[in-house]
Amino acid sequence: NAGVTQTPKFRILKIGQSMTLQCTQDMNHNYMYWYRQDPGMGLKLIYYSVGAGITDKGEVPNGYNVSRSTTEDFPLRLELAAPSQTSVYFCASSYGTINSPLHFGNGTRLTVT
Amino acid sequence: QQPVQSPQAVILREGEDAVINCSSSKALYSVHWYRQKHGEAPVFLMILLKGGEQKGHEKISASFNEKKQQSSLYLTASQLSYSGTYFCGTERGYGGSQGNLIFGKGTKLSVKP
Repeated sequence: NAGVTQTPKFRILKIGQSMTLQCTQDMNHNYMYWYRQDPGMGLKLIYYSVGAGITDKGEVPNGYNVSRSTTEDFPLRLELAAPSQTSVYFCASSYGTINSPLHFGNGTRLTVT
Repeated sequence: QQPVQSPQAVILREGEDAVINCSSSKALYSVHWYRQKHGEAPVFLMILLKGGEQKGHEKISASFNEKKQQSSLYLTASQLSYSGTYFCGTERGYGGSQGNLIFGKGTKLSVKP
């Protein structure tokens, strides 16, 4: 069982570059999420999706874009990378019901210099 | 509206007990608990639902006080494997959960031999 798979695991970007963080899940979950984690700050929701073709902003969406063309995939796009986007990014998925846990991917550690 | 966790950090000897609290300023319908080991993804422990019973996972249990808008995680007879950072997550929406969680900043638990 693969669960939630994120690629790449590590990436270093220069200021102003762009990149896409990939996330795919094989559990047929409708709901998918992108969180970022900064030291001592917990997990902050960037964007989420309740199904293919539907996305919405979370707490910290500025500087990011997402798309959801299939149930399985939920890529996160960084345009014009900034040092403030240095963080660990986690993708997660769930069935979205009140008693559904979140299943997290292993994360992508991004450094912008 | 980020839930507040206390304490921020705790150090235990093997076999000792600990309590981690999670408080919210708004009405809660559910509280999630996750554990994250260093360099790894958060892992689901349990969900507490409004009106539900106290949950348990191995020697880890939790309670949910709806009136106080608070949940507590109880770690009994701690083991070395319990070390990590514990996060509570509360739903962002109103009413039922869409798995759209706001996480606390975490409580770092260190269990020493």
